[in-house]
Amino acid sequence: TQLLEQSPQFLSIQEGENLTVYCNSSSVFSSLQWYRQEPGEGPVLLVTVVTGGEVKKLKRLTFQFGDARKDSSLHITAAQPGDTGLYLCAGARGDYKLSFGAGTTVTVRA
Amino acid sequence: KAGVTQTPRYLIKTRGQQVTLSCSPISGHRSVSWYQQTPGQGLQFLFEYFSETQRNKGNFPGRFSGRQFSNSRSEMNVSTLELGDSALYLCASTGLGIKETQYFGPGTRLLVL
Repeated sequence: TQLLEQSPQFLSIQEGENLTVYCNSSSVFSSLQWYRQEPGEGPVLLVTVVTGGEVKKLKRLTFQFGDARKDSSLHITAAQPGDTGLYLCAGARGDYKLSFGAGTTVTVRA
Repeated sequence: KAGVTQTPRYLIKTRGQQVTLSCSPISGHRSVSWYQQTPGQGLQFLFEYFSETQRNKGNFPGRFSGRQFSNSRSEMNVSTLELGDSALYLCASTGLGIKETQYFGPGTRLLVL
């Protein structure tokens, strides 16, 4: 059983559309990270959120950490083909052991 | 600043053999974590080292072991390889900023035949 549940598992959209990926848990996390991974490569860090209710924006990407620090979302505005990849959320609970969600595979069609 | 480096990038072994993977963290990072990634199980935590000591351990059998050197470089060893050990092995180092943020290397793709 995954500590972090990500949804949806797969997402295929047209260039220019918006998308949202969700990461939910019944556990409280001290911080939550989002990564993007391309085939055969390691995950690349997008953002770390640490405060309940925190919203961080990175160009067209908006990340939100839930008030109770149990869930998070990633919203992409006007998606581009370069946004294609596996999006992973990972939570930490005060130690250096990250628990990962199963990931959301995003495909943006040109 | 150079990122996390892992060697080798690809490896093919046969059942019963052993393998050693290497990871060099970002300069100044002292914590190194190892993960196994497979299509079925996703990313699973193996262990974490800090100042040459194993600080955290995941739920993997004793065939999986690691160590860290005084320069923070780390190695992971898998003995008596099984077909199910085929995976992407990822190493991550922890930064000087937010302490739980991990930066990943490109991984070592291990194929066990």
